[in-house]
Order: sequence, then structure tokens, then C-alpha cells
Amino acid sequence: GENVEQHPSTLSVQEGDSAVIKCTYSDSASNYFPWYKQELGKRPQLIIDIRSNVGEKKDQRIAVTLNKTAKHFSLHITETQPEDSAVYFCAANDGTASKLTFGTGTRLQVTL
Amino acid sequence: DVKVTQSSRYLVKRTGEKVFLECVQDMDHENMFWYRQDPGLGLRLIYFSYDVKMKEKGDIPEGYSVSREKKERFSLILESASTNQTSMYLCASSSVRGFVHEQFFGPGTRLTVL
Repeated sequence: GENVEQHPSTLSVQEGDSAVIKCTYSDSASNYFPWYKQELGKRPQLIIDIRSNVGEKKDQRIAVTLNKTAKHFSLHITETQPEDSAVYFCAANDGTASKLTFGTGTRLQVTL
Repeated sequence: DVKVTQSSRYLVKRTGEKVFLECVQDMDHENMFWYRQDPGLGLRLIYFSYDVKMKEKGDIPEGYSVSREKKERFSLILESASTNQTSMYLCASSSVRGFVHEQFFGPGTRLTVL
């Protein structure tokens, strides 16, 4: 089955700096890669996703890049703000888009 | 607005008890999922269902079973709870319409097995 690895497990940045979280996947059939954000005590929510026919996608301060050849994808957050502090999960589907395998999560702390 | 609800936010049970966790979604979604969330291990899929009365094992199905008698409701059952099943349990649902199958999560049930 699919295996998704995520790094780093914790990340601390100063407000205004950029943050990058990286994931790798194993199943070449995967074609959908979402990112979820989970604030403390809240449920995970989708923040951005990318399909395998696209190399990069951007939404305001967040962007995701995908390298299909190397089987890795990354989340980039620019101009970080305290409200970006949360746990971020990457995921990859099984080729059917329904079932997701999640990474182990990255706890991002944005300090003032 | 998608709403996924879970029957309890907190639950305390004793070893050996049968435990039912209920999940209800109101968006007519075909897919429903049960995950457990543990620190450092992320979200691990226990079971999922893509239709009424259909179920598929996820990555960690041992010790769990599920039931989906109605489209909007997906139940997770711990036949005989054990202490290593102490965890946060998250339910999610998604639609099969279109390519993007965003999963919408419930608020979670924190289960403690004593």
C-alpha cells in the first residue's frame, strides 16, 4: 500500500519567515495530494491540494509543489503569521481519489 | 455547509467493554472513514465505506469493526476494548462527485480505556 513520509516533525519559525514542509510517497498510482491543517483542539481542514498533472499551485501565502519523478511534494508558507501555528498533514491518494494515506504531521510554531 | 458530527467528545470505558462510536454526516456523501490519531503517528485509517453496507479495511483494522446501515451514519465498534485503543478517533466523509474528494472531518472522540 501507499506509504507517506513527512518531515520535519516540528518546525519553529519567526513571524514573517517562510516555512517548508516536505513529504514523499511510494505509490506511483497516486494522483492527488492534499494538505490539511489542524489547529489545537480542532478538526483537520483542507487548505490546499494538487493533482499529478500540475507541478505547482498557489493560494495567497501558501503553495504546494509536486515532483512526480522523485515522488515528493512540499508545502510552502510565506510571510508566516501566528495563526499559521498548527499541525499540518500531507496525504496521498490510492489512485482512486477516495482513500488517503496521511503523513505523520508537522507541528509548526510561529513565534513573535 | 458540510456537517460531520460524532456521538461523544470524550468517552471513558473499561477494558473488555464493547464500545460504539457513532458518526453522522448531513451532506449525502458516499464515502465515510474512521481514523485514529496518535501523537507522532498522524492519522491512520481504520476502516472506510464507499456505500451503504459496504466496508473496506484500512491500515489498522485489528480489534475494530464497522457498520453502515444508512448512508449518513457510520459506526465504529470496539468489540472488547483494550488499553492500547486509548486514542483520538476521527470520522470523515467525502463525496465521489468530481475528481477532488475533500474529506470533511468530525470533531473527534477522545476515548480512554482503563
